Amino acid sequence: DVVMTQTPVSLSVAIGQPASISCKSSQSLVGTSGKTYLNWLLQRPGQSPKRLIYLVSKLDSGIPDRFSGSGSETDFTLKISRVEADDLGVYYCLQGTHFPYTFGAGTKLELK
Amino acid sequence: EVKLLESGGGLVQPGGSMRLSCAASGFTFTDFYMYWIRQPAGKAPEWLGFIRNKANGYTTEYNPSVKGRFTISRDNTQNMLYLQMNTLRAEDTATYYCARSGIDYWGQGVMVTVSS
Repeated sequence: DVVMTQTPVSLSVAIGQPASISCKSSQSLVGTSGKTYLNWLLQRPGQSPKRLIYLVSKLDSGIPDRFSGSGSETDFTLKISRVEADDLGVYYCLQGTHFPYTFGAGTKLELK
Repeated sequence: EVKLLESGGGLVQPGGSMRLSCAASGFTFTDFYMYWIRQPAGKAPEWLGFIRNKANGYTTEYNPSVKGRFTISRDNTQNMLYLQMNTLRAEDTATYYCARSGIDYWGQGVMVTVSS
């Protein structure tokens, strides 16, 4: 299975400050189509996970452009330019290139 | 509006069986792959498998961790997705979610507890 290693495990950020989460995969996530199926999700307390970003850098509808995704092959990053209170929760990366699809262990974003 | 609503969870004894259902609405069900994902309390989600769309013959893929015990099926006349779980173990205890392909929409989840 592809191992998705997320760092840090937790992140304490003040409102208005930037945040960055890393996700590294144990093998390249470039698929046979040439696309890279790397997603970022946010799970707020008590809620289902919600997709924020797909195909490394494409924002889902309604997701503010404070969020951005980047990376390639095995190294990916989620950045929040200015953290807001609504951004708190656990962030997961998910690869959808290789079976079985696998999630990172999560990064908990808390308020400082 | 896309909606996914799981049902059928609860308490089951080890070795028992359970079938989860997911009612889908707000989109053309047959156009989409449908996924099952589970999440033990306090842990990361785990992808269990999916069933493909009409164009791809409704075939299935499974995580090896559940292959042979879990079966995903769909009733396209009722817009329903199912997860049949057999020979359940304590480690299958989790919240189970259905999701649309691309995992762009998730249900609210249903809890399954395997315990004697």
